[in-house]
Amino acid sequence: DQQVKQNSPSLSVQEGRISILNCDYTNSMFDYFLWYKKYPAEGPTFLISISSIKDKNEDGRFTVFLNKSAKHLSLHIVPSQPGDSAVYFCAASRGGYQLIWGAGTKLIIKP
Amino acid sequence: GAGVSQSPSNKVTEKGKDVELRCDPISGHTALYWYRQSLGQGLEFLIYFQGNSAPDKSGLPSDRFSAERTGGSVSTLTIQRTQQEDSAVYLCASSLGVSSGANVLTFGAGSRLTVL
Repeated sequence: DQQVKQNSPSLSVQEGRISILNCDYTNSMFDYFLWYKKYPAEGPTFLISISSIKDKNEDGRFTVFLNKSAKHLSLHIVPSQPGDSAVYFCAASRGGYQLIWGAGTKLIIKP
Repeated sequence: GAGVSQSPSNKVTEKGKDVELRCDPISGHTALYWYRQSLGQGLEFLIYFQGNSAPDKSGLPSDRFSAERTGGSVSTLTIQRTQQEDSAVYLCASSLGVSSGANVLTFGAGSRLTVL
C-alpha cells in the first residue's frame, strides 16, 4: 500500500523556467510533509516542509503547495537552475518519527 | 561530527558472507534511522532508535538483519548470510527526535552494498 506516491519518475525542464514536482498521498492523518533532494552518491538533504494546517510554504526559489481536499502537494522551483538537477523525494509523517517516502522524481534541468 | 558519517562507502561481498555497516550520527541527535534504497526505488525503512527506548525493528526484512546502537551514539547494521537481493544503498539518518514540528532527518552519504 503506497501511501505516498510520486507518479512521475522523471521531469525535464528548461533552465530558468518553473519546475513543478508532484506528490499524492492517501492518508488524511498525515500532519507534516517534507521534500528532500538527493544528488548521486550522496544522502538526501532536507529542502522544505509544510504543516497540514497550511496550504503554502515558501523558501527562496522553493515553494510547496498543499491541497488537502485533493491529498496532493507540489514543489515549485522558480527559476530552475542547473544545480537543481537531482532526485526529489516527497515524505509524510503522522505525528511521530516515521516518515513515509515516495519513490522520487528525477529532475533534469536543460541548459 | 558535523554530519552523519557512514562506513564503508562501498562494500562488495560474496553471497553468504556477513557484512557490517557503521553509522556515526550527529552529536546530540537522539534519533537514528536506517533506510535501504534499492535501484530505482524509494527509501525503505529498516529500523529506528530513540534514546534508551526499545528500537522499532518493524522494517527489517528478515532475521538476517540486525542493528544495534551503542551508548546512544554509533550504530551498526549487520546483515548475515548476504543474498543478492540485499544489494542496495543503506542510508543512515539522525534527528533531534520528534518535537512539535516536522521531524527533519539528516542523512549520511550511504553505504553501497553489492552482493555477488
